[in-house]
Amino acid sequence: EDQVTQSPEALRLQEGESSSLNCSYTVSGLRGLFWYRQDPGKGPEFLFTLYSAGEEKEKERLKATLTKKESFLHITAPKPEDSATYLCAVQANSGGSYIPTFGRGTSLIVHP
Amino acid sequence: DVKVTQSSRYLVKRTGEKVFLECVQDMDHENMFWYRQDPGLGLRLIYFSYDVKMKEKGDIPEGYSVSREKKERFSLILESASTNQTSMYLCASSFSDRAYAEAFFGQGTRLTVV
Repeated sequence: EDQVTQSPEALRLQEGESSSLNCSYTVSGLRGLFWYRQDPGKGPEFLFTLYSAGEEKEKERLKATLTKKESFLHITAPKPEDSATYLCAVQANSGGSYIPTFGRGTSLIVHP
Repeated sequence: DVKVTQSSRYLVKRTGEKVFLECVQDMDHENMFWYRQDPGLGLRLIYFSYDVKMKEKGDIPEGYSVSREKKERFSLILESASTNQTSMYLCASSFSDRAYAEAFFGQGTRLTVV
């Protein structure tokens, strides 16, 4: 069974204080790992897809990296507008399944 | 830009009512999903469809059914709404091809059953 564990559950940062969110996964053949941002009361917004170990993607202050067992979302010099819940999901190659398995998310609050 | 549109942002229904949640996507995606999201429980898959008229049960299908008569539209039906179905409902869609595997979500429907 595919599993995704995100840590920490919640993270409070001061503006400008860089940090990383972790997504550990177990999957029988990774098809893709996805990061999403979710603001309160809204649907998740797609950020990145990573397909293979060693791959990195960047968008503004966010950088996602991938190893064979985990992914990190690095946030450099965060601003209050980066406050949101960040979700990680994996999709397996096995059985032709197209269903992503989601972690429970990390709630990030950035204080001015 | 990919657009997934859910028919309502907020709904209030009475116990026992039949409730329809509609979702439309404009990217010709093969796959469509219905999730519910509750505090502390994360996203839980209710139903999944990989083609017109095809559907598969997710982790929590009890009390729900779905309909996919056209490729762009996926409906979630609460046969007889109950208070424990009060939740945020999220629709998503994705391609089947490996190069475009990510799912895109709608804005969500906050359903309250009283």
